[in-house]
Amino acid sequence: SQQGEEDPQALSIQEGENATMNCSYKTSINNLQWYRQNSGRGLVHLILIRSNEREKHSGRLRVTLDTSKKSSSLLITASRAADTASYFCATDERSTGNQFYFGTGTSLTVIP
Amino acid sequence: GAGVSQSPSNKVTEKGKDVELRCDPISGHTALYWYRQSLGQGLEFLIYFQGNSAPDKSGLPSDRFSAERTGGSVSTLTIQRTQQEDSAVYLCASSFFVWGANTEAFFGQGTRLTVV
Repeated sequence: SQQGEEDPQALSIQEGENATMNCSYKTSINNLQWYRQNSGRGLVHLILIRSNEREKHSGRLRVTLDTSKKSSSLLITASRAADTASYFCATDERSTGNQFYFGTGTSLTVIP
Repeated sequence: GAGVSQSPSNKVTEKGKDVELRCDPISGHTALYWYRQSLGQGLEFLIYFQGNSAPDKSGLPSDRFSAERTGGSVSTLTIQRTQQEDSAVYLCASSFFVWGANTEAFFGQGTRLTVV
């Protein structure tokens, strides 16, 4: 299956530092999305980047996409304790435009 | 409603019993997804509905699992003869489908299923 793989699996930083998470995938995609999950329940959509885009910003979030390397990164600047959560990337397959495949996630801990 | 609604939020069932999990997607969303997440793990794709197309059932782990979507809206995931390994959080999401691609998905809060 075309699953994204996040790296690192776990990340611990001090409040105010930047956090960078990476995602790699396997096939051509329509778009790539990042989600956040608190307490193992529903996921919250953060940002969507299309395959013809290279960089996108939303508040303290910056996402890059390199389709030649089949990889994406999520940067959270000036982290806060409230950013502590698991972060997942999700991709859909260009040929079918069907369901999203999620990676295994990065567990981020921001220490106050 | 304003978001994706799932019920029940928690379900404890005895091994061997059947369970039904319900998902009410956001009105107008044509795509609906079911995922399963075990403790500390990623999301495992189960099934995908898109408009009137045949659903993609490739993620269903066994023939004990089935799902339907009535009238292009509400969906029910049924697990027959539950096993302990079925214990997990079952997540439903919905999205628009535009120009051959899904837009951002909105998730419900999930149903935590415990099989004892």
